[in-house]
Amino acid sequence: NAGVTQTPKFQVLKTGQSMTLQCAQDMNHEYMSWYRQDPGMGLRLIHYSVGAGITDQGEVPNGYNVSRSTTEDFPLRLLSAAPSQTSVYFCASSYGGQNYNEQFFGPGTRLTVL
Amino acid sequence: AQSVSQHNHHVILSEAASLELGCNYSYGGTVNLFWYVQYPGQHLQLLLKYFSGDPLVKGIKGFEAEFIKSKFSFNLRKPSVQWSDTAEYFCAVNKPGGYNKLIFGAGTRLAVHP
Repeated sequence: NAGVTQTPKFQVLKTGQSMTLQCAQDMNHEYMSWYRQDPGMGLRLIHYSVGAGITDQGEVPNGYNVSRSTTEDFPLRLLSAAPSQTSVYFCASSYGGQNYNEQFFGPGTRLTVL
Repeated sequence: AQSVSQHNHHVILSEAASLELGCNYSYGGTVNLFWYVQYPGQHLQLLLKYFSGDPLVKGIKGFEAEFIKSKFSFNLRKPSVQWSDTAEYFCAVNKPGGYNKLIFGAGTRLAVHP
């Protein structure tokens, strides 16, 4: 199994540009989520999905869109990038259910918005 | 607001020194508690977790943590650190029944010198 994969690893954008960060997992996990990691702030939940066709907002959803058309993929879209979105983005996946299951994290995407 | 506090942002130790990293959370009721580690250039990995039962939990690589309910704390310990423990350590909390949403602390950067 490849686990959780993310592309690209690095990206530089100009303010106002749009882009999609890709996340895929091959473990048949129901739950997928996106976090951003900023110095001194740890990881903060952006959006999450409990299954195909179901998404919800996390702690810091503004400026980001998600969709979940398949179990495997959970892309994160920045419609109009802003410097405040400069961060490292991590995707995670796990088995579903209301109780906690161990999450597996991807390698991250480092995004710089100029 | 729900939060997780890690008291030490940067810790520098020599090899063989003992380690204790503090973590406090501000939730009432039952919580699940975690420590994650991020080695340089790598993604997050689960070190250990506490759901219930024995408040002293053992994780991988010789790490352990103690849950003290009265102090809302979940401190991470290792009796003798190695250079390879150089990493960033994150404490995280999950509310049972809250799916897999994690609330992370800001992280502690540990540097171990030979």
